[in-house]
Amino acid sequence: GQQVMQIPQYQHVQEGEDFTTYCNSSTTLSNIQWYKQRPGGHPVFLIQLVKSGEVKKQKRLTFQFGEAKKNSSLHITATQTTDVGTYFCAGYVSSNTGKLIFGQGTTLQVKP
Amino acid sequence: NAGVTQTPKFQVLKTGQSMTLQCAQDMNHNSMYWYRQDPGMGLRLIYYSASEGTTDKGEVPNGYNVSRLNKREFSLRLESAAPSQTSVYFCASTTASSYEQYFGPGTRLTVT
Repeated sequence: GQQVMQIPQYQHVQEGEDFTTYCNSSTTLSNIQWYKQRPGGHPVFLIQLVKSGEVKKQKRLTFQFGEAKKNSSLHITATQTTDVGTYFCAGYVSSNTGKLIFGQGTTLQVKP
Repeated sequence: NAGVTQTPKFQVLKTGQSMTLQCAQDMNHNSMYWYRQDPGMGLRLIYYSASEGTTDKGEVPNGYNVSRLNKREFSLRLESAAPSQTSVYFCASTTASSYEQYFGPGTRLTVT
């Protein structure tokens, strides 16, 4: 079936270091979304990428959508303790179904 | 606006018991979803409802039933709970135009 794989599963960084999580799909995605879930909380939408090769920035966060629309990445520059949480990518294979396929998530721990 | 609300927040069931998880949204969204979240597995879609009056199976529907009671409410029923259904359950909703999903706070279910 359709799968979205995300690596790494866990990442521990020192505060101030950079962090990247990668997302790969077995099929072409119509778009990709990123969510953040704080410990004990619920997923919260961060951003959506639609176009091939698209790059979007939100302050210290940079999101990329691959040229083939099968992979994506989230890069955080100079991590802070407020970045702690689990980051999920999620893709729509077809916008008609409304069904999102989530990656397994990357859990980020930041040591102060 | 309350957004997406879920009840109960916590529940402990014995094997074989039944229960219904309630979800409601006040954002006039057409589409609603039920996910389960297990460690290392990301979010897996159980059932979804693209619009009032329609429901469809997701990735892991076995052991569950749903009802789209009206545009606001989407319930998930466990007819005969099993330990494998111990999980955190999230309800979400979205509009057709943005596809951004809004999540409820979750129900933490333990089946003993």
